[in-house]
Amino acid sequence: DADVTQTPRNRITKTGKRIMLECSQTKGHDRMYWYRQDPGLGLRLIYYSFDVKDINKGEISDGYSVSRQAQAKFSLSLESAIPNQTALYFCATRGLASTDTQYFGPGTRLTVL
Amino acid sequence: GQNIDQPTEMTATEGAIVQINCTYQTSGFNGLFWYQQHAGEAPTFLSYNVLDGLEEKGRFSSFLSRSKGYSYLLLKELQMKDSASYLCAVRVKNRDDKIIFGKGTRLHILP
Repeated sequence: DADVTQTPRNRITKTGKRIMLECSQTKGHDRMYWYRQDPGLGLRLIYYSFDVKDINKGEISDGYSVSRQAQAKFSLSLESAIPNQTALYFCATRGLASTDTQYFGPGTRLTVL
Repeated sequence: GQNIDQPTEMTATEGAIVQINCTYQTSGFNGLFWYQQHAGEAPTFLSYNVLDGLEEKGRFSSFLSRSKGYSYLLLKELQMKDSASYLCAVRVKNRDDKIIFGKGTRLHILP
């Protein structure tokens, strides 16, 4: 089984709808991240969390909210989706060691019409 | 501010060697990662450098010069499956221990 899972993998929705993207991990990591990726813009950080009580905004948090329900679960919500939120969304986790890399989920492709 | 630069696209031939460069200017430096990302898939870890010098891992090697703010990823004996984007990412030395990603270099391999 994959260490980091995301649901759904693909979603098409309409402008104004509320959408939740879910992420679960079995790596036992405290740190979790949400990124979006757009062609030509690379990976941009939306929100990150160091534990269930520590949630921080990234560089592009406007229009998004998150919930850290447990160490293993980190959800991203779009309260009222708009077309420019069409993107590939990745969840990632990371351990505490200095050499620890980030482990990415498989991604969610979101299209807002 | 944080800035990471790498070429947008590169093309190389199967069996050849290619070097992908990355330069960075960040407020504090605590290591540099390289990731491989195939189209539509998640990035996967390739290498990590924190000290100056070359790290070799099979066909892939990564080099770091902290004084120059420069790294490169060297891919040898290129295979068609190496067609992918390669992301340079810097671990920034601050409270949040963030990893900042470059925009990636899309590598095309020709037969």
